[in-house]
Amino acid sequence: QSALTQPASVSGSPGQSITISCTGTSSDVGSYNLVSWYQQHPGKAPKLMIYEVTKRPSGVSNRFSGSKSGNTASLTISGLQAEDEADYYCCSYAGTSTYVFGTGTKVTVL
Amino acid sequence: EVQLLESGGGLVQPGGSLRLSCAASGFMFSSYAMSWVRQAPGKGLEWVSVITGNGGSTYYEDSVKGRFTISRDNSKNTLYLQMNSLRAEDTAVYHCAKALYCSITSCPRAFDYWGQGTLVTVSS
Repeated sequence: QSALTQPASVSGSPGQSITISCTGTSSDVGSYNLVSWYQQHPGKAPKLMIYEVTKRPSGVSNRFSGSKSGNTASLTISGLQAEDEADYYCCSYAGTSTYVFGTGTKVTVL
Repeated sequence: EVQLLESGGGLVQPGGSLRLSCAASGFMFSSYAMSWVRQAPGKGLEWVSVITGNGGSTYYEDSVKGRFTISRDNSKNTLYLQMNSLRAEDTAVYHCAKALYCSITSCPRAFDYWGQGTLVTVSS
Protein backbone atom coordinates (compact mmCIF):
# COMPACT_ATOMS: atom_id res chain seq x y z
CA GLN A 1 0.00 0.00 0.00
CA SER A 2 1.62 3.27 -1.11
CA ALA A 3 1.38 6.38 1.02
CA LEU A 4 -1.18 8.98 0.04
CA THR A 5 0.36 11.99 -1.69
CA GLN A 6 0.38 15.36 0.06
CA PRO A 7 2.32 18.54 -0.79
CA ALA A 8 5.48 18.75 1.27
CA SER A 9 4.72 22.27 2.42
CA VAL A 10 2.00 24.90 2.37
CA SER A 11 2.26 28.41 3.74
CA GLY A 12 0.00 31.35 4.35
CA SER A 13 -0.25 34.61 6.22
CA PRO A 14 -2.29 35.02 9.39
CA GLY A 15 -5.98 35.29 8.57
CA GLN A 16 -5.66 33.66 5.17
CA SER A 17 -7.07 30.29 4.13
CA ILE A 18 -4.97 27.38 2.96
CA THR A 19 -5.89 23.99 1.53
CA ILE A 20 -3.90 20.78 1.81
CA SER A 21 -4.59 18.05 -0.72
CA CYS A 22 -4.35 14.31 -0.16
CA THR A 23 -4.36 12.12 -3.25
CA GLY A 24 -4.89 8.40 -3.10
CA THR A 25 -6.38 5.79 -5.36
CA SER A 26 -9.70 4.14 -6.09
CA SER A 27 -8.71 1.49 -3.51
CA ASP A 28 -8.53 3.88 -0.58
CA VAL A 29 -9.62 7.54 -0.71
CA GLY A 30 -11.87 6.95 -3.70
CA SER A 31 -13.62 3.94 -2.21
CA TYR A 32 -14.46 5.11 1.28
CA ASN A 33 -15.70 8.27 2.98
CA LEU A 34 -13.29 7.40 5.77
CA VAL A 35 -10.57 10.02 5.47
CA SER A 36 -9.20 11.55 8.64
CA TRP A 37 -6.74 14.37 9.24
CA TYR A 38 -4.19 14.75 12.04
CA GLN A 39 -2.21 17.73 13.30
CA GLN A 40 1.20 17.12 14.82
CA HIS A 41 3.33 19.74 16.52
CA PRO A 42 7.06 18.99 16.88
CA GLY A 43 7.72 16.37 19.53
CA LYS A 44 4.02 15.91 20.23
CA ALA A 45 1.49 13.17 19.60
CA PRO A 46 -0.81 13.54 16.59
CA LYS A 47 -4.22 15.12 17.20
CA LEU A 48 -7.37 14.16 15.31
CA MET A 49 -8.79 17.17 13.45
CA ILE A 50 -11.26 15.67 10.94
CA TYR A 51 -12.80 12.23 10.50
CA GLU A 52 -15.19 10.70 7.96
CA VAL A 53 -14.02 13.36 5.48
CA THR A 54 -15.94 16.28 7.00
CA LYS A 55 -16.65 15.68 10.68
CA ARG A 56 -14.90 17.60 13.45
CA PRO A 57 -14.32 16.06 16.89
CA SER A 58 -15.55 18.02 19.85
CA GLY A 59 -13.11 20.79 20.71
CA VAL A 60 -11.62 21.22 17.24
CA SER A 61 -12.01 24.71 15.84
CA ASN A 62 -14.54 25.20 13.03
CA ARG A 63 -11.72 26.89 11.11
CA PHE A 64 -10.78 23.37 10.07
CA SER A 65 -12.90 21.72 7.39
CA GLY A 66 -12.59 18.71 5.13
CA SER A 67 -13.86 17.63 1.74
CA LYS A 68 -13.35 14.95 -0.88
CA SER A 69 -13.69 14.61 -4.60
CA GLY A 70 -12.87 11.35 -6.30
CA ASN A 71 -9.49 10.09 -5.15
CA THR A 72 -8.48 13.38 -3.55
CA ALA A 73 -9.36 14.65 -0.10
CA SER A 74 -8.64 18.15 1.16
CA LEU A 75 -8.21 19.93 4.46
CA THR A 76 -8.90 23.65 4.57
CA ILE A 77 -7.73 25.89 7.38
CA SER A 78 -9.44 29.25 7.36
CA GLY A 79 -8.41 32.29 9.37
CA LEU A 80 -4.88 30.91 9.67
CA GLN A 81 -3.32 31.42 13.11
CA ALA A 82 0.22 31.06 14.40
CA GLU A 83 -0.80 28.01 16.44
CA ASP A 84 -1.81 26.21 13.24
CA GLU A 85 1.84 25.90 12.25
CA ALA A 86 2.43 22.15 12.39
CA ASP A 87 2.64 19.01 10.30
CA TYR A 88 -0.62 17.64 8.93
CA TYR A 89 -1.31 14.07 7.85
CA CYS A 90 -4.27 12.58 6.06
CA CYS A 91 -5.24 8.97 6.57
CA SER A 92 -7.62 6.77 4.64
CA TYR A 93 -9.24 3.46 5.38
CA ALA A 94 -8.01 1.03 2.73
CA GLY A 95 -10.27 -1.94 3.28
CA THR A 96 -9.91 -5.16 5.32
CA SER A 97 -9.22 -3.10 8.45
CA THR A 98 -6.07 -1.55 7.02
CA TYR A 99 -5.12 2.09 6.82
CA VAL A 100 -2.77 4.28 4.82
CA PHE A 101 -1.36 7.65 5.87
CA GLY A 102 -0.34 10.55 3.70
CA THR A 103 3.21 11.76 3.22
CA GLY A 104 2.60 14.76 5.45
CA THR A 105 2.46 18.51 4.89
CA LYS A 106 4.34 21.15 6.83
CA VAL A 107 2.19 24.23 7.31
CA THR A 108 4.06 27.47 7.84
CA VAL A 109 2.40 30.65 9.03
CA LEU A 110 4.29 33.54 7.49
CA GLU B 1 -9.24 11.74 30.92
CA VAL B 2 -7.96 9.32 28.31
CA GLN B 3 -4.30 8.45 28.71
CA LEU B 4 -2.09 6.16 26.67
CA LEU B 5 1.43 5.47 27.88
CA GLU B 6 3.84 3.43 25.77
CA SER B 7 6.91 1.66 27.08
CA GLY B 8 9.40 -0.99 26.08
CA GLY B 9 11.37 0.79 23.38
CA GLY B 10 15.13 0.76 23.19
CA LEU B 11 18.19 -0.22 21.17
CA VAL B 12 18.15 -3.68 19.61
CA GLN B 13 20.38 -5.39 17.07
CA PRO B 14 19.11 -6.38 13.63
CA GLY B 15 17.30 -9.70 13.89
CA GLY B 16 16.46 -9.10 17.51
CA SER B 17 13.12 -8.84 19.32
CA LEU B 18 11.33 -6.30 21.45
CA ARG B 19 7.91 -6.10 23.09
CA LEU B 20 6.16 -2.77 23.37
CA SER B 21 3.37 -2.05 25.85
CA CYS B 22 0.70 0.64 25.96
CA ALA B 23 -1.07 1.22 29.26
CA ALA B 24 -4.51 2.74 28.75
CA SER B 25 -6.76 4.56 31.19
CA GLY B 26 -9.79 6.84 31.22
CA PHE B 27 -12.05 4.79 28.94
CA MET B 28 -13.62 1.35 28.62
CA PHE B 29 -10.59 -0.27 27.04
CA SER B 30 -12.28 -3.47 25.89
CA SER B 31 -14.85 -1.54 23.84
CA TYR B 32 -12.37 0.02 21.45
CA ALA B 33 -10.08 -1.15 18.70
CA MET B 34 -6.48 -0.10 19.19
CA SER B 35 -3.66 0.48 16.73
CA TRP B 36 0.07 0.94 16.55
CA VAL B 37 1.36 3.71 14.28
CA ARG B 38 5.05 4.40 13.81
CA GLN B 39 7.09 7.38 12.72
CA ALA B 40 10.68 7.03 11.56
CA PRO B 41 12.97 9.90 12.60
CA GLY B 42 12.09 12.97 10.56
CA LYS B 43 9.53 11.04 8.52
CA GLY B 44 5.78 10.67 8.30
CA LEU B 45 3.25 8.48 10.08
CA GLU B 46 2.91 4.84 9.05
CA TRP B 47 0.09 2.57 10.20
CA VAL B 48 1.41 -0.73 11.56
CA SER B 49 -1.37 -2.84 13.03
CA VAL B 50 -4.86 -2.86 14.57
CA ILE B 51 -6.69 -5.17 16.98
CA THR B 52 -10.40 -5.30 17.70
CA GLY B 53 -11.77 -4.58 21.17
CA ASN B 54 -12.14 -8.21 22.15
CA GLY B 55 -8.80 -9.12 20.61
CA GLY B 56 -10.42 -11.55 18.24
CA SER B 57 -9.19 -9.97 15.01
CA THR B 58 -5.83 -8.49 14.09
CA TYR B 59 -4.54 -6.83 10.93
CA TYR B 60 -1.08 -5.75 9.80
CA GLU B 61 0.73 -3.59 7.31
CA ASP B 62 2.42 -5.79 4.72
CA SER B 63 6.03 -5.07 5.73
CA VAL B 64 5.49 -6.32 9.30
CA LYS B 65 3.29 -9.34 8.58
CA GLY B 66 4.81 -12.48 10.02
CA ARG B 67 7.27 -10.49 12.15
CA PHE B 68 5.05 -8.38 14.43
CA THR B 69 2.16 -9.56 16.62
CA ILE B 70 -0.38 -7.23 18.18
CA SER B 71 -2.26 -8.37 21.27
CA ARG B 72 -4.12 -6.97 24.24
CA ASP B 73 -4.96 -7.87 27.83
CA ASN B 74 -8.30 -6.27 28.61
CA SER B 75 -8.02 -7.25 32.27
CA LYS B 76 -4.91 -5.07 32.47
CA ASN B 77 -6.04 -2.34 30.03
CA THR B 78 -2.84 -2.90 28.10
CA LEU B 79 -1.98 -3.17 24.43
CA TYR B 80 1.14 -4.96 23.20
CA LEU B 81 3.28 -5.21 20.09
CA GLN B 82 5.70 -8.12 19.88
CA MET B 83 8.34 -7.31 17.29
CA ASN B 84 10.61 -10.07 15.98
CA SER B 85 13.24 -10.21 13.23
CA LEU B 86 13.74 -6.49 13.54
CA ARG B 87 15.31 -4.57 10.69
CA ALA B 88 16.99 -1.17 10.48
CA GLU B 89 13.93 0.15 8.67
CA ASP B 90 11.79 -0.60 11.73
CA THR B 91 13.59 2.19 13.59
CA ALA B 92 10.88 4.64 14.63
CA VAL B 93 8.81 6.10 17.42
CA TYR B 94 5.91 3.73 17.97
CA HIS B 95 2.62 5.32 19.03
CA CYS B 96 -0.42 3.47 20.28
CA ALA B 97 -3.71 5.00 19.23
CA LYS B 98 -7.31 4.51 20.32
CA ALA B 99 -9.88 4.12 17.55
CA LEU B 100 -13.18 5.94 17.54
CA TYR B 101 -16.07 3.76 18.61
CA CYS B 102 -17.14 1.32 15.94
CA SER B 103 -20.73 0.06 15.97
CA ILE B 104 -22.79 -2.04 13.60
CA THR B 105 -24.17 1.08 11.97
CA SER B 106 -21.15 3.39 12.08
CA CYS B 107 -17.42 2.78 12.05
CA PRO B 108 -15.47 6.05 11.59
CA ARG B 109 -12.08 4.36 11.14
CA ALA B 110 -10.08 7.13 12.80
CA PHE B 111 -7.93 7.50 15.90
CA ASP B 112 -8.95 10.05 18.52
CA TYR B 113 -6.28 9.60 21.19
CA TRP B 114 -2.59 8.91 20.79
CA GLY B 115 0.27 8.24 23.14
CA GLN B 116 3.56 10.14 22.99
CA GLY B 117 5.32 7.07 21.70
CA THR B 118 8.34 4.95 22.52
CA LEU B 119 11.51 4.96 20.41
CA VAL B 120 12.75 1.73 18.87
CA THR B 121 16.23 1.83 17.37
CA VAL B 122 17.46 -1.15 15.36
CA SER B 123 21.20 -0.94 14.89
CA SER B 124 24.36 -2.96 15.37
